[in-house]
Amino acid sequence: KNEVEQSPQNLTAQEGEFITINCSYSVGISALHWLQQHPGGGIVSLFMLSSGKKKHGRLIATINIQEKHSSLHITASHPRDSAVYICAVPSYNTDKLIFGTGTRLQVFP
Amino acid sequence: NAGVTQTPKFQVLKTGQSMTLQCAQDMNHEYMSWYRQDPGMGLRLIHYSVGAGITDQGEVPNGYNVSRSTTEDFPLRLLSAAPSQTSVYFCASSYGLAGGGGKNIQYFGAGTRLSVL
Repeated sequence: KNEVEQSPQNLTAQEGEFITINCSYSVGISALHWLQQHPGGGIVSLFMLSSGKKKHGRLIATINIQEKHSSLHITASHPRDSAVYICAVPSYNTDKLIFGTGTRLQVFP
Repeated sequence: NAGVTQTPKFQVLKTGQSMTLQCAQDMNHEYMSWYRQDPGMGLRLIHYSVGAGITDQGEVPNGYNVSRSTTEDFPLRLLSAAPSQTSVYFCASSYGLAGGGGKNIQYFGAGTRLSVL
């Protein structure tokens, strides 16, 4: 069974700071997903990546397949980035996802 | 497009009552799933479906029932509610397993917050 570990569990930052959230998994995968859960509860997909790096606005996701590790970076953080960020990997390369417990980020003005 | 629609948003049940959580998607997705989210734990898969007429159990299926009579709808039934089923429930859909290899983006409903007293 693939285990997914995220760190840190909680993160506070001042507006403008550079944020890094880490995700490690235990077995080989075809892709890794990063999701965002808003304070209101809704969950949206941010990235799906299988190699290298992807960027969307101030968000950057990287993955190192050999080290079984991914990072989510937020540049110039803003209070509206406050959310729970969740890492997930496919189970046996299917659409069944295994989720990490999430990283709760709070960005203060 | 509405995406994935879940109803109700909130529900309070008494122990032993039954109810159905509704989930509908308008994206013609083959794969649909139900997750529960509990404090301190990641989302856990309850049941999933790879297409109309096909369902299977996930990690925590006990006490829940599903059916998939159409591509659009995937209701989750609580047969006899228990306090341990107090949770937030999410329905999700994606294009499908075939050829996806775990690379299909999943779309989530807004969630149903259920309390069982």
